[in-house]
Amino acid sequence: EAGVAQSPRYKIIEKRQSVAFWCNPISGHATLYWYQQILGQGPKLLIQFQNNGVVDDSQLPKDRFSAERLKGVDSTLKIQPAKLEDSAVYLCASRSPFDWGGSSDTQYFGPGTRLTVL
Amino acid sequence: TQLLEQSPQFLSIQEGENLTVYCNSSSVFSSLQWYRQEPGEGPVLLVTVVTGGEVKKLKRLTFQFGDARKDSSLHITAAQPGDTGLYLCAGVLTSGGSNYKLTFGKGTLLTVNP
Repeated sequence: EAGVAQSPRYKIIEKRQSVAFWCNPISGHATLYWYQQILGQGPKLLIQFQNNGVVDDSQLPKDRFSAERLKGVDSTLKIQPAKLEDSAVYLCASRSPFDWGGSSDTQYFGPGTRLTVL
Repeated sequence: TQLLEQSPQFLSIQEGENLTVYCNSSSVFSSLQWYRQEPGEGPVLLVTVVTGGEVKKLKRLTFQFGDARKDSSLHITAAQPGDTGLYLCAGVLTSGGSNYKLTFGKGTLLTVNP
C-alpha cells in the first residue's frame, strides 16, 4: 500500500511570496489533515477535511493560508503572502474510515514539505 | 487549549543504557499515542494506549498510560543507535466518526551514541 505522498519536499522562498504544497493521501482515506511543525515543536493541526468538506480549520491563519480538497482526494495548502515565521515542515496525514474507533485508528503521515522563508 | 508536556526535551545516552520519557497533561484524552519521527520523515505511530493503567510492550519499548488517563511514559531498555529520533506523544480527542484530532507534545529528541 502506497503511503501519503507530498510535494515538493523542500521549498525556499522570499517573504511576501506565495507557495503551494500538494498532498495525495492513501487511497480510500476520506479524512485528510494538514499540520505545521516548527523546528523543536510537535505538529500543530491547521485544517481537517472529511472528503471535500472542512471539519476543523480553527487554527488555520485564514488571512494568509488556504486549503482545498476539491474532489475529496488530493489536497493543496497555499500560503500567500509568506512570512518569516511560516518557516516550518508542513505535514499531511490521512486516516482510514475502516479503522474508526478501533485500536488501530490512526493517522498516517507523509514525509512533509520543508519550507524556508528568507 | 489542551496541552501535553513532554520531558526531557533532549536526551543523549550511550548504547545499552535505559531511559524513560514522560508525557503529562492536565486534561483527559480518549486515548494517547506515541510516535517516532526521524529526520526528513513524518511521524510514525508506535502505540496507542486507551485504558487507564494500561501497559503495552513493543520489543524493548514499554508504554504506560496513567490511571487517570492524563499522563504516559515510554521506557526503552538497552537503547540502540537505531532508536535515535524524536519521540512525540499525542492526545486523541474523538467523539466518533470523522471527529478525530491529535494534540501533540513538543517531543523528546533522543540520541543514542554507539
